[in-house]
Amino acid sequence: AQSVTQLDSHVSVSEGTPVLLRCNYSSSYSPSLFWYVQHPNKGLQLLLKYTSAATLVKGINGFEAEFKKSETSFHLTKPSAHMSDAAEYFCVVDGQNFVFGPGTRLSVLP
Amino acid sequence: DTAVSQTPKYLVTQMGNDKSIKCEQNLGHDTMYWYKQDSKKFLKIMFSYNNKELIINETVPNRFSPKSPDKAHLNLHINSLELGDSAVYFCASTLGELGSYEQYFGPGTRLTVT
Repeated sequence: AQSVTQLDSHVSVSEGTPVLLRCNYSSSYSPSLFWYVQHPNKGLQLLLKYTSAATLVKGINGFEAEFKKSETSFHLTKPSAHMSDAAEYFCVVDGQNFVFGPGTRLSVLP
Repeated sequence: DTAVSQTPKYLVTQMGNDKSIKCEQNLGHDTMYWYKQDSKKFLKIMFSYNNKELIINETVPNRFSPKSPDKAHLNLHINSLELGDSAVYFCASTLGELGSYEQYFGPGTRLTVT
């Protein structure tokens, strides 16, 4: 069985400062891992995915994530937050079924 | 060109009614999904179809019945609507059934049951 934990339900950063959104997973399989973003009243968009290739994955809009098997983590980072990054972020594990984490709401302060 | 489209975008109805939500994808994908997102943004898979065949059926009341007339369409019919059915319903599709495939999501249908 798979599960995903997003350690923070809400993260607030100032514009121009780094972003860290944390995700831990458990899976009986070698998982694929994804980060999706949902802007207010919009559908979900893929930011990046890990599929057992390079452990450091680069995505769109300057986001990247590092897969650490020993820590069962897949944290999402961005060096410098922009106002347009304010959204809900979901970590997803896919081993047998897609399982979404509970989401982290990112607020970006001017 | 919309990859995954859903209709309607908003649906307001009364308890006890029957309603349908339609989903279409023009990506040539084999697998389609329905998700329910509750008021706390929690997303839960409801159903998955691969080439018109049901492959995932999570614990969902049997008032919910998916129908896939062809692999480009997956509709969701809901009978005897209840207040707790109010949510945003997302359709999604992937190229394959399992593994590393990216999911493409529709814009969502916001269902409000009064």
